[in-house]
Amino acid sequence: DAGVTQSPTHLIKTRGQHVTLRCSPISGHKSVSWYQQVLGQGPQFIFQYYEKEERGRGNFPDRFSARQFPNYSSELNVNALLLGDSALYLCASSLLNRGQPQHFGDGTRLSIL
Amino acid sequence: AQSVTQLGSHVSVSEGALVLLRCNYSSSVPPYLFWYVQYPNQGLQLLLKYTSAATLVKGINGFEAEFKKSETSFHLTKPSAHMSDAAEYFCAVSVQGGSEKLVFGKGTKLTVNP
Repeated sequence: DAGVTQSPTHLIKTRGQHVTLRCSPISGHKSVSWYQQVLGQGPQFIFQYYEKEERGRGNFPDRFSARQFPNYSSELNVNALLLGDSALYLCASSLLNRGQPQHFGDGTRLSIL
Repeated sequence: AQSVTQLGSHVSVSEGALVLLRCNYSSSVPPYLFWYVQYPNQGLQLLLKYTSAATLVKGINGFEAEFKKSETSFHLTKPSAHMSDAAEYFCAVSVQGGSEKLVFGKGTKLTVNP
């Protein structure tokens, strides 16, 4: 069975630009979460979506937004990119029951010049 | 608020030696706890989870962890390290609420020496 897939794998942008990252969850998983992992740190929660509704948001500015589609895939959008947005962006999918593990994709490495 | 502390950002062991990676959590409610492993240039892979069943949890690749409520700990162990265990390990706690947010520790990088 296919795991969580993310695209693209790598991306280079300049300050002020906009970026869209994409994620396809494991088949049957209706919950998708996004995390930001800065080099040398643990992942930080950005968003969770379930059935196209936002269920949680981390401490990130409004430049970050996301959405989930009817097929449960998801997009993360970041506007007005800053150097500090350089990070690995991880998508995770799960069954929406507390205690069910989240399954992660390999991430999108975003570099801001 | 739930939080996780991983003691030791770097741990180095010899091949065949015991692996012990420390994790302490803070939670006002019974926690759900997870250990993940991250290999270079990859995402996170679930090693094991604690969800209030048995306190000794067995995971993949020979790893196990013991939940100790009195010590608020969930340390990860493996009796005999293998070169392929070299990676970064993250402990995480599931936050109660409407979202299934995971709060991660800062990670421990494990080096295995031949």
